[in-house]
Amino acid sequence: SQTIHQWPATLVQPVGSPLSLECTVEGTSNPNLYWYRQAAGRGLQLLFYSVGIGQISSEVPQNLSASRPQDRQFILSSKKLLLSDSGFYLCALTGASSYNEQFFGPGTRLTVL
Amino acid sequence: SQQGEEDPQALSIQEGENATMNCSYKTSINNLQWYRQNSGRGLVHLILIRSNEREKHSGRLRVTLDTSKKSSSLLITASRAADTASYFCATDAFRGGADGLTFGKGTHLIIQP
Repeated sequence: SQTIHQWPATLVQPVGSPLSLECTVEGTSNPNLYWYRQAAGRGLQLLFYSVGIGQISSEVPQNLSASRPQDRQFILSSKKLLLSDSGFYLCALTGASSYNEQFFGPGTRLTVL
Repeated sequence: SQQGEEDPQALSIQEGENATMNCSYKTSINNLQWYRQNSGRGLVHLILIRSNEREKHSGRLRVTLDTSKKSSSLLITASRAADTASYFCATDAFRGGADGLTFGKGTHLIIQP
């Protein structure tokens, strides 16, 4: 069965500091991977998606970036965090189904102070 | 942009009662999905309904889809305290299926024992 790992689970960072959030998946090959952000009390906003190694598509302009160095690894980064980057970051994948059902990781709670 | 919009934003009912949540969307879709999120956790997929389906059941869940009105409803029958969570609808437009979902802001459901 598919499993998604995210770390760290929680993170408190000062404004202007760098960021690296990691997502790794197990139990599947060549998944489509996604990064979403959820602001407090809000729905999810798609940030990036990847259909393969080195292939990244961005949905919204921001100071964040993503990379996929390996098939089962998806990294979300920033060189300088903003207060508005605070939120709950979720990694997700689509599996074998052709109908885009997504499986989510446990998330990383980021607070920028 | 947010495609799905759920209402109500919050719903509080007594255990045993039925809970109904609605979702509206703006563009054509390939399918519509409902997800559940417990506080501070990742999302869990509940049910997917395709654009050519009008109703679908899964256990105590019943989902309807009206593509002419661009709306969907999620009914949870015989609610339990453990159903307390936020519920989100999500759509994917006819974009090939790989490029993520658009989520609504969610309905926060509270089941009072």
